[in-house]
Amino acid sequence: GQNIDQPTEMTATEGAIVQINCTYQTSGFNGLFWYQQHAGEAPTFLSYNVLDGLEEKGRFSSFLSRSKGYSYLLLKELQMKDSASYLCAVSFSGGYQKVTFGTGTKLQVIP
Amino acid sequence: KAGVTQTPRYLIKTRGQQVTLSCSPISGHRSVSWYQQTPGQGLQFLFEYFSETQRNKGNFPGRFSGRQFSNSRSEMNVSTLELGDSALYLCASHTGTSGRSGELFFGEGSRLTVL
Repeated sequence: GQNIDQPTEMTATEGAIVQINCTYQTSGFNGLFWYQQHAGEAPTFLSYNVLDGLEEKGRFSSFLSRSKGYSYLLLKELQMKDSASYLCAVSFSGGYQKVTFGTGTKLQVIP
Repeated sequence: KAGVTQTPRYLIKTRGQQVTLSCSPISGHRSVSWYQQTPGQGLQFLFEYFSETQRNKGNFPGRFSGRQFSNSRSEMNVSTLELGDSALYLCASHTGTSGRSGELFFGEGSRLTVL
């Protein structure tokens, strides 16, 4: 299988930092993506990691460890509009457009 | 440029009927993927089309099928609808080329309710 695991829900305070973890099976790994999905809307692309390390993009950063099958999405200076589901997705070999998604982490930002 | 367009946005069907959903990808994108999204299962991969050929397929029964036309527009069809087919069906557009793969551009989805 190609299980992708991430927490179901998280709550964090406005202005704080939150880390959303994602683990996956390493066999056949090609790349890892994070998407944001607001309720009732389509997912939108946030980040892409193919090599180990940290990729920073404004308030959002994504980290990857290929040997551990582990990634996290770091959100800094949380804003109320960051309340959304965050989807971890992995591209496995055997067809690079067969991107497998985790079930998503619903983040609630509270005042 | 225009985004990914899916039609219809909402539809209600009864068990046993069939349904066809349409997706127009971003201009120039040759790959279209389809996903089923339900609260409990998240996004489940259905299939991916590239240049009118099905390139990848998920683990869904044969009642779920699709096709892609020469202009890259894609349709998916579900026959003999079951209650469990109620879901949001998302279409995702991609250039289809290698390199920075996986950045999918999603449409707003077609929400199907089966009664």
